[in-house]
Amino acid sequence: DVKVTQSSRYLVKRTGEKVFLECVQDMDHENMFWYRQDPGLGLRLIYFSYDVKMKEKGDIPEGYSVSREKKERFSLILESASTNQTSMYLCASSTYPQETQYFGPGTRLLVL
Amino acid sequence: GDSVTQMEGPVTLSEEAFLTINCTYTATGYPSLFWYVQYPGEGLQLLLKATKADDKGSNKGFEATYRKETTSFHLEKGSVQVSDSAVYFCALGIQGAQKLVFGQGTRLTINP
Repeated sequence: DVKVTQSSRYLVKRTGEKVFLECVQDMDHENMFWYRQDPGLGLRLIYFSYDVKMKEKGDIPEGYSVSREKKERFSLILESASTNQTSMYLCASSTYPQETQYFGPGTRLLVL
Repeated sequence: GDSVTQMEGPVTLSEEAFLTINCTYTATGYPSLFWYVQYPGEGLQLLLKATKADDKGSNKGFEATYRKETTSFHLEKGSVQVSDSAVYFCALGIQGAQKLVFGQGTRLTINP
């Protein structure tokens, strides 16, 4: 079974803090993705990566950065957390970007 | 551009009712089509998929047929259960594209 794990299920941070969300997949997938999910807005792609050290902006990259130093690990970084970044964050991976994506359980982030 | 339109929710049904969740798409090529399900507090899971016209995807009693002539991929189940309560996402993937395109999601609630 494909497994995608995320470092935390719930996280509470203060405005201005630097926040790291980590995602690890065990299927040797080339492609990894970070989404945020908000009520009424569905899934929005923040960043994706198609190879180690490669990254591409998604639809809403502002306020976020990413890091992919190893194939299995893709980190999302909030440089200075703000209250409007309170959301559910979902990581996914796939063999090809247009094919089946496998999702982690999500991290629910609250920024106070 | 490529897009997916799902019927708006929320949808509320009684147990054993027949379910249809509509999904239509706009795509420049010949997409693969997916239905994902998100149970409360979890990430998305692939429910079923179809990769070419007239293909039928099926899983857990759910079915969807890839209809190229109507650009649709409607999700159906003959008799829903309380455990089917979840959010359902329709998505498409285009060969050569760098991401999946998701619909907004449809929240389904099944009452006993």
